[in-house]
Amino acid sequence: NAGVTQTPKFQVLKTGQSMTLQCAQDMNHEYMSWYRQDPGMGLRLIHYSVGAGITDQGEVPNGYNVSRSTTEDFPLRLLSAAPSQTSVYFCASRFRGDTGELFFGEGSRLTVL
Amino acid sequence: KNQVEQSPQSLIILEGKNCTLQCNYTVSPFSNLRWYKQDTGRGPVSLTIMTFSENTKSNGRYTATLDADTKQSSLHITASQLSDSASYICVVGHSGGYQKVTFGIGTKLQVIP
Repeated sequence: NAGVTQTPKFQVLKTGQSMTLQCAQDMNHEYMSWYRQDPGMGLRLIHYSVGAGITDQGEVPNGYNVSRSTTEDFPLRLLSAAPSQTSVYFCASRFRGDTGELFFGEGSRLTVL
Repeated sequence: KNQVEQSPQSLIILEGKNCTLQCNYTVSPFSNLRWYKQDTGRGPVSLTIMTFSENTKSNGRYTATLDADTKQSSLHITASQLSDSASYICVVGHSGGYQKVTFGIGTKLQVIP
């Protein structure tokens, strides 16, 4: 039972570099999302998708890009990394219903120097 | 503005003791309330989910309550174990739209021998 798989688990970048955080789920969930978790703050939504080919912005989308070409995969791209993007990133997925439980990946810790 | 506030921010209890964590929210229109457990370095995992009509939900030693009139929820942990050491996050869902959620900052619980 893989659930939601995120890679890499740790990454160090220099300011201005770009990278992609990978997220894959094997539960056939329509809804997938990316959050960032910072000290003293609740999880904040970056981008989300309600199905293949459909994405939309969340609360803090600036500096990030997403695409959803398949139901299973939802990569998050950092276009030009900034120190303010140092954070722990979580991918989560669920079925589309209102009471659907969110299933989270294990997180990706990103440090931007 | 939709907000979820949790108290206390942190808590230390002796193994075997009970404790209660609080969650107050100002979310409208309310859809559901969830408690998640997040172990250090891991992704959050759902403990309970409650809708408007439910006022109590149990999951083993975890019991969540919901008072939709006062917009308060609590998570009671009975006979705590060392493995209960974690952050507990209250998450409130908003009905309508694409099922938005607002996360609390969490309560960090440490159970000591």
